Amino acid sequence: AQSVSQHNHHVILSEAASLELGCNYSYGGTVNLFWYVQYPGQHLQLLLKYFSGDPLVKGIKGFEAEFIKSKFSFNLRKPSVQWSDTAEYFCAVKRSGYSTLTFGKGTMLLVSP
Amino acid sequence: NAGVTQTPKFQVLKTGQSMTLQCAQDMNHNSMYWYRQDPGMGLRLIYYSASEGTTDKGEVPNGYNVSRLNKREFSLRLESAAPSQTSVYFCASRARLDRGRPFYGYTFGSGTRLTVV
Repeated sequence: AQSVSQHNHHVILSEAASLELGCNYSYGGTVNLFWYVQYPGQHLQLLLKYFSGDPLVKGIKGFEAEFIKSKFSFNLRKPSVQWSDTAEYFCAVKRSGYSTLTFGKGTMLLVSP
Repeated sequence: NAGVTQTPKFQVLKTGQSMTLQCAQDMNHNSMYWYRQDPGMGLRLIYYSASEGTTDKGEVPNGYNVSRLNKREFSLRLESAAPSQTSVYFCASRARLDRGRPFYGYTFGSGTRLTVV
């Protein structure tokens, strides 16, 4: 079973539309949560991360994510997307006691101008 | 510039050939990782090294070997390349962000695009 699930494989939006990308994980216990972005032909860049505290975290470029522990979710949001947000987005989870990151399969976002 | 450096950036191999992908980080990180990225599959862990002198298998280790040569370098070797190993390979290292708490940040290299024909 997939340990980190990203529900949408492809998302197409128009500029100025709002974005929400889903991420769920299946681990119990303490987790660290990450969202990475990969622009075409580039390597992974960190958008934001959650370790503890306020479950609403803000990242770069206007992105934010909310950790809902009871739902094992860490959804990524942006109120108004831009054409330059066209990229692939990956959710990743680090379990307490483990040093490795487990990634979801990614969501390809295409923003049309 | 500080970061994770991978070489080469591109490589084409014939089936059965061998090669080593190099990775080096200059951030004094203890832990290093090799992932492969395939369309629709996300990133999958091949091998990792929690510290100098140790290596462990990840999710997809078959067909690969690794060497943690020293704290800076973590290489990935394909002894006999197969078309199924066509992929983009990413190396990463991990740093502790908070001395008192288990919060870690991961830095990724720019990737090696490998094609096996």
